[in-house]
Amino acid sequence: DAKTTQPPSMDCAEGRAANLPCNHSTISGNEYVYWYRQIHSQGPQYIIHGLKNNETNEMASLIITEDRKSSTLILPHATLRDTAVYYCIVRVVNKLSFGAGTTVTVRA
Amino acid sequence: GAVVSQHPSRVICKSGTSVKIECRSLDFQATTMFWYRQFPKQSLMLMATSNEGSKATYEQGVEKDKFLINHASLTLSTLTVTSAHPEDSSFYICSVRRGNPNTEAFFGQGTRLTVV
Repeated sequence: DAKTTQPPSMDCAEGRAANLPCNHSTISGNEYVYWYRQIHSQGPQYIIHGLKNNETNEMASLIITEDRKSSTLILPHATLRDTAVYYCIVRVVNKLSFGAGTTVTVRA
Repeated sequence: GAVVSQHPSRVICKSGTSVKIECRSLDFQATTMFWYRQFPKQSLMLMATSNEGSKATYEQGVEKDKFLINHASLTLSTLTVTSAHPEDSSFYICSVRRGNPNTEAFFGQGTRLTVV
């Protein structure tokens, strides 16, 4: 699976959009980009995934660059409950391999 | 509602004893389930892939005789930590995914194991 690079941490203000970057420069043509988050002492929660088109659901939007070497997860209106570790993962089949992720802290 | 149910949520056991953790897929049949382990302040590490009706596939460095996996039905996989030691204390998490490998995976709430 392709390796991903995320900033270790970021802060954002409650009510504002949070933009979480992820680099995956070695991604191959058939690998999807997945985003999960883990709130302290809980199992990871699925957020969104995509192949090459931008995606949006009730939780977030996923913007994938045209060359697919990077992506951005957008939380449109961050709340305090969005404080978590966010993982960007690329995979082709079966296994999800988790990196260190980005610790996002939403501040009032 | 929850897609995956993991039980127990936390357990304390004595060194040398065995502990069984259950993972149930509530919404769909899962031919494949995954087991992860997470130490404090670290990321999730995949331990093994549980295959219904066949042997589990273990990741490199994971002792198959210590971490016994049974996937006897399409909705239940169990992880048994045998002869537990304090260094086995960790957060164990299972995951299930629908048949299509490009769909999302769902995770259990995790089991906090403490070996004393």
